[in-house]
Amino acid sequence: EAQVTQNPRYLITVTGKKLTVTCSQNMNHEYMSWYRQDPGLGLRQIYYSMNVEVTDKGDVPEGYKVSRKEKRNFPLILESPSPNQTSLYFCASSLLHDTEAFFGQGTRLTVV
Amino acid sequence: KNEVEQSPQNLTAQEGEFITINCSYSVGISALHWLQQHPGGGIVSLFMLSSGKKKHGRLIATINIQEKHSSLHITASHPRDSAVYICAVKGANFGNEKLTFGTGTRLTIIP
Repeated sequence: EAQVTQNPRYLITVTGKKLTVTCSQNMNHEYMSWYRQDPGLGLRQIYYSMNVEVTDKGDVPEGYKVSRKEKRNFPLILESPSPNQTSLYFCASSLLHDTEAFFGQGTRLTVV
Repeated sequence: KNEVEQSPQNLTAQEGEFITINCSYSVGISALHWLQQHPGGGIVSLFMLSSGKKKHGRLIATINIQEKHSSLHITASHPRDSAVYICAVKGANFGNEKLTFGTGTRLTIIP
């Protein structure tokens, strides 16, 4: 089944403790991206990747890192999480940057 | 002013009604997406269009590039259509591959 898989689905952590949210797709898509969703602000793009080893900043990249060592995986790294990074996070992939997007199930992160 | 504006923010309608959700944007775009977010939080892509009109079942999406406006229509609405509908645009500038989102329209269909 074609899908984008994020893990974990829920995570509660403490300020400053490094964490990684994984994202994997099985559709051989070139384009992958990370978004956060906050009440009243909607979805905002954090980082995106056009292909392996090619990443670029979205609208809200501060406090986040990404890597794209393999085509299928695009992990989101929070080196030192802070409470303002409490949010609902989505990973998405598409064949190309301007084709239909497929979203993961979302990761609800709480930083205390 | 946001680059992508949706209206209305909230919409409640009776089952069977024809629904229209609007999206206006202020920049040149290469593509526009309509997404559906279920009450449980999952997001599904409904349409991606750059011109004209697309139809899938009871859903129709149109875009007018000159007027920088897109509409999503739902015919014969059903309670299972209750969701948040989100418009997103990709800028036309080469090298700008970001997506910019509207804040969504919350649709509730009453049986």
